[in-house]
This record gives sequence, structure tokens and C-alpha cells, in this order.
Amino acid sequence: QKEVEQDPGPLSVPEGAIVSLNCTYSNSAFQYFMWYRQYSRKGPELLMYTYSSGNKEDGRFTAQVDKSSKYISLFIRDSQPSDSATYLCAMTSGASKIIFGSGTRLSIRP
Amino acid sequence: EPEVTQTPSHQVTQMGQEVILRCVPISNHLYFYWYRQILGQKVEFLVSFYNNEISEKSEIFDDQFSVERPDGSNFTLKIRSTKLEDSAMYFCASSGGQGRPNTEAFFGQGTRLTVV
Repeated sequence: QKEVEQDPGPLSVPEGAIVSLNCTYSNSAFQYFMWYRQYSRKGPELLMYTYSSGNKEDGRFTAQVDKSSKYISLFIRDSQPSDSATYLCAMTSGASKIIFGSGTRLSIRP
Repeated sequence: EPEVTQTPSHQVTQMGQEVILRCVPISNHLYFYWYRQILGQKVEFLVSFYNNEISEKSEIFDDQFSVERPDGSNFTLKIRSTKLEDSAMYFCASSGGQGRPNTEAFFGQGTRLTVV
């Protein structure tokens, strides 16, 4: 079983839709959870950072962590064509390296 | 806003040659990392560096790789004898600035290494 699993997509939705991106993980030591956005041939850009379980909101983005299910989500409201990118979940125990999911390619249709 | 900068943006080298990839982390950060991403694949951890020494490395980071922080600002990754399979994007990251946790890592734009 992979440490972090993420559906690679591609996921295509119309502009204005709510997007839901998800990852599952197997290592119960993970405490810190991140979502990065990556445009083609660019570096990952940190979008959201959460510690332990719960929700965090930042503008149109909401990150959710459910440690009991080992499941994390990123919701994007009122999606825009400029949101089209690959979204990477990432996580760490805090004492070790950050592990990335394989990324979900998202396309927002105008 | 402070950012991690990497040079060069693209490096082409012949198989067997040595390359040095350079990074300037965010100035008050304490933890430094190298990751790589082979085209179409996931971002993979190579090495982390803290307090002037390697704190963790992956199985990819074998004897042909080394890292150095030669002065107060630069952080380098050296690949001693490049192989075709070293072709990838290499990302530098830093974290652990004042008031920020060491787990919130910020990435540079990457160096695309092509080994021919």
C-alpha cells in the first residue's frame, strides 16, 4: 500500500463549479497536511497548510482533514479557469520528510 | 514576498559529467530540502539539511549526490557523474522560519536537468 494515494485525474469541471480533490494515506504518524498547486514545468506552490484534524478556510479554498479515516480533501468554490493546474497533497509527521501524492490534474472549462 | 530561487532554470549536460544545482533559500529559514520530479511522475524526496548537516536522505540520494551550504545564503546539490536517468526537474525547498513550523515548505521554480 502506498503511503499517500491520490487520483491522478484528469478532472474537468465547468467554471463556477465546486471542485473536490482528495487523498488517502496509510501512515498514522502524519500530523501536518498540505496542498500545493503546480503549473506545468513550475515548482509546487503552497496553497493550504493544516495541522491534525479539522477544517481550514482561505478565500475560495477549504482544506479538510479526517485523521480517523486517514482522508484529506481540498474544496475549491467558484472555480476559475486560472485554477487549472495539478494539485498535490503532501503530508509529514513533522520529524521526517514531506511525502507527496502523485497529483490530480484539474481543468476548469470556461 | 520572499521566495526560494534556483539557478540555472535549465541545464543540459553530458552523461558522466558533474553538475551543481544552486538554490538560495528564504533568508530566515532553517531547514532545506532537495526534491526531484521525473517528467509525468510524482515529486520525490531526495534529502533534508538542518544545522549544517544532512538530517534525512532517501534511497535515491546515493554516493553520487552531495549537498552543501557553502555560505550563509546558498544551498547546492552536486551530482558527481550524471546518468541518463538523472534527467528530471530538481526542486529546492526551505522551511522553519521565525514563527513558522519546519513542516511548511516553500519551493523554488526548479532546475530542469537534461542528461544526454
